[in-house]
Amino acid sequence: AQTVTQSQPEMSVQEAETVTLSCTYDTSESDYYLFWYKQPPSRQMILVIRQEAYKQQNATENRFSVNFQKAAKSFSLKISDSQLGDAAMYFCAYRSTNDYKLSFGAGTTVTVRA
Amino acid sequence: DTGVSQNPRHKITKRGQNVTFRCDPISEHNRLYWYRQTLGQGPEFLTYFQNEAQLEKSRLLSDRFSAERPKGSFSTLEIQRTEQGDSAMYLCASSLAALAGVEQFFGPGTRLTVL
Repeated sequence: AQTVTQSQPEMSVQEAETVTLSCTYDTSESDYYLFWYKQPPSRQMILVIRQEAYKQQNATENRFSVNFQKAAKSFSLKISDSQLGDAAMYFCAYRSTNDYKLSFGAGTTVTVRA
Repeated sequence: DTGVSQNPRHKITKRGQNVTFRCDPISEHNRLYWYRQTLGQGPEFLTYFQNEAQLEKSRLLSDRFSAERPKGSFSTLEIQRTEQGDSAMYLCASSLAALAGVEQFFGPGTRLTVL
C-alpha cells in the first residue's frame, strides 16, 4: 500500500490570508494521480483539486493551487484569500494508474479566523 | 439530489449484533467503493465493485464483513457480530470507469457506534 503523510494535524489562518498544507507520499511508480479532498464538519468529502503525475504544470482551481515536486514526492496545497467556508479537514490522497482505490493521509484540520 | 446517498446516517448497536448499511451511488457510475474512517484519521479502503463484481477486498475486511452489489446499482455492507473496534464512519464512493484519473464522489457516510 502507498503511504501518504500529512505532517500538520492542524493549521490556522486569518481570513483573506494564505495557508499551505503539506503532503508527502511514497511510491515506486512513475505515473499516478494525486488529490486533495475537503471534508467540512458533518458533511461529505468533496474534491478540491487533482494532479496527474505526468503533467509538470501545477494544477490550479480558483483560490486553490498545488506545488507538485515529483522528485521530492511532495504535493502541497495552497489556499489563497482564505474564507470562513474553507474551514474543514483536508486530505491528501494518492491513486496509482494501475489501481482504483485511494490511499489517504491522516488529514489536516484548517481553522479560519475571522 | 443526484449525489451518493447512504443510509442510515447514524447507527448505534450493541456488541455482537449485526448491522447493514446501504449505499446508492450516482446513477450512471459503475464503480463503487467502501472506505472506513476512524476519528482523526483518513479513510481506509475496504472494498471495490465494478458493476456487480467485487474486484478487490482489503485485509481490513475481516470475515465478519460482507459487501454486495447485486444488480450493479446500490450496495450493502454488513457487519456481523459487531465489536467495539468496528466503531467508525463508513464511507461509500462511486465513479465512472471510463475516465482515467476520475474523481470519486463520496457519500455523507454512516457513523457506527458499537456499545
